[in-house]
Amino acid sequence: EAQVTQNPRYLITVTGKKLTVTCSQNMNHEYMSWYRQDPGLGLRQIYYSMNVEVTDKGDVPEGYKVSRKEKRNFPLILESPSPNQTSLYFCASSLYPDGGLRSYNEQFFGPGTRLTVL
Amino acid sequence: GDSVTQMEGPVTLSEEAFLTINCTYTATGYPSLFWYVQYPGEGLQLLLKATKADDKGSNKGFEATYRKETTSFHLEKGSVQVSDSAVYFCALNSGGSNYKLTFGKGTLLTVNP
Repeated sequence: EAQVTQNPRYLITVTGKKLTVTCSQNMNHEYMSWYRQDPGLGLRQIYYSMNVEVTDKGDVPEGYKVSRKEKRNFPLILESPSPNQTSLYFCASSLYPDGGLRSYNEQFFGPGTRLTVL
Repeated sequence: GDSVTQMEGPVTLSEEAFLTINCTYTATGYPSLFWYVQYPGEGLQLLLKATKADDKGSNKGFEATYRKETTSFHLEKGSVQVSDSAVYFCALNSGGSNYKLTFGKGTLLTVNP
């Protein structure tokens, strides 16, 4: 089954304790992205990756790191979590959207990771 | 920059009622427009999309038409069901270098039997 998986689904941690949220897709997608969802703000992009070893900042990258060593995996790293990073996190992937003007390939979303930082 | 404004929720309807969720956007160039749906406890799923002016996206009885003159992409369904209860997000992709989706804040729809 084609899917994007995230682990863990739920996590409660304390300020300053490093954590990693994993994301994996089995669709051979080049493009992967992380979003955070907060009440009243919708989803905002944290980081994205066009392919292996190619990553870049989205709109809200502060306090996060990512890596893309393999095509299927795109972990999100919080080296020193703070309470303002309490949120619902979504990973997404798609084929590389390079088909020309206004081309778009559907982004598939994972089930989400609910993170609470105390 | 790009932005999406959708009607505030929550929206509560009875089964078989008509649904409209308004969505307007601001973007450079010619964005592609989307509606995503998030069922309780799940991730987002693409509901429908439209990639150019006057296109109509449709799926599962939902429709939305890309109106460039009014910069709108309103979601409609003629007869909602209890199973349509979810959060609906309007989004756009203006094809920038990061292929980012810009989302509205979401509208919670509850359909009562």
